[in-house]
Formats: sequence, C-alpha cells, structure tokens
Amino acid sequence: AQSVTQLGSHVSVSEGALVLLRCNYSSSVPPYLFWYVQYPNQGLQLLLKYTTGATLVKGINGFEAEFKKSETSFHLTKPSAHMSDAAEYFCAVSAGNTGTASKLTFGTGTRLQVTL
Amino acid sequence: DAGITQSPRHKVTETGTPVTLRCHQTENHRYMYWYRQDPGHGLRLIHYSYGVKDTDKGEVSDGYSVSRSKTEDFLLTLESATSSQTSVYFCAIRTLRENTEAFFGQGTRLTVV
Repeated sequence: AQSVTQLGSHVSVSEGALVLLRCNYSSSVPPYLFWYVQYPNQGLQLLLKYTTGATLVKGINGFEAEFKKSETSFHLTKPSAHMSDAAEYFCAVSAGNTGTASKLTFGTGTRLQVTL
Repeated sequence: DAGITQSPRHKVTETGTPVTLRCHQTENHRYMYWYRQDPGHGLRLIHYSYGVKDTDKGEVSDGYSVSRSKTEDFLLTLESATSSQTSVYFCAIRTLRENTEAFFGQGTRLTVV
C-alpha cells in the first residue's frame, strides 16, 4: 500500500518569498511521484514528476522538487512566490504505470496563499 | 487539453435517485480513473479501468458502479444517491508509456439534496 502525507493544509507566504510545500510518501516499491496544482473551479494540472533518473526535477512556473529516498520526501519549492501561485497543491504517488500500480494516491492538499 | 470531457459539469439531484456521470476521452488511453474530491480528504479513488470491460475498485467504491464498454467512455453510476456523495468528481486518464502522468478532466460538481 502507498500513502502520501502533506504537512500543512494552509501555507501563507509573501510575494517574493520562498515557497516550500512538504510531501512525505510511503511506498513498498520505488515510487513515481507527482505534484499537481489546482486553481479554483478547475481540474488538476501537472507541475512536475519524478519517475527515474535525476532526483531534482524542474517543473512549470519555476517550481522544482527533490526526491530524497532516505527521507521519503518530495518537497516542492519555488525561490520567489508570485501572486499567481495562489492555488491548491497536491502531492501524489504511484507504484508504476501499469495495472493496479498505475493508480495515484493523493495527499490531502496544501492551499497556498500569497500576500503582498 | 488532454482530450477529456466530463458531463455533466454540474448536477443537482435528489436523494435516492440514480445518477450517471460520463467521462469521454479522445486519446485512446487504456487507463481511466474516477476520483472524488472533498475538503480535507484530497482526491480519493472510486474505481478505475485498465481496458474495455476491465474495472476494479478503489478505496471509496461503496455506492458506486462503473462501466466501460468502449475505450473512450468510462461511466460512473451512483445507484441511489445519498447526501454523502455530494462532491466534485474527477475523471483521469493515463497512458501505458513509461514515465507518464495522469491527465485530469475539469470535474463534475454533484449536489445531492
């Protein structure tokens, strides 16, 4: 079984400040890890993903995340927050991309607020 | 746009009535999923399909059934709607190719009164 824990249901940062959204996972096999963003009344959009290879992955809108196996973490960061980053962010894990392993398990989400 | 269309986008229904939500894809992807999104719970998997007529349960499948008679369509049915099924429902698709992610539809907001 796999699971995801997102620490902090709400995070508030000032515009221009560092964004750090935390994600820890549990998986019995090497995981596939994802960060999705959801703007109000919209579906989920992929920010970035880790499957194999380089552990530091870069995504859209200046976001990046680092896969740390020893810490079972996949935290999302952005050096400088922008007002347009205000949204809800979801971390997700899957055990692969075939069969039952293909299903994604999501965290409960972190709502990011960006203030002036 | 990942070629996923959910219908209807909004629905209000009465307790005890059956409801069917439709997910249609134009990508010919093998895997399709239904999730529900509720505050404080994130997205939880209801059912998924790995091919025509091949479906399996997710973590919150009670009260729901699915059917997939064609690759492009995945139907979610609430057999007798209850207020606890008021939620936003998302369909997702995923390809078999290596290192790929799931793509999501725009969601269906269902209210059971």
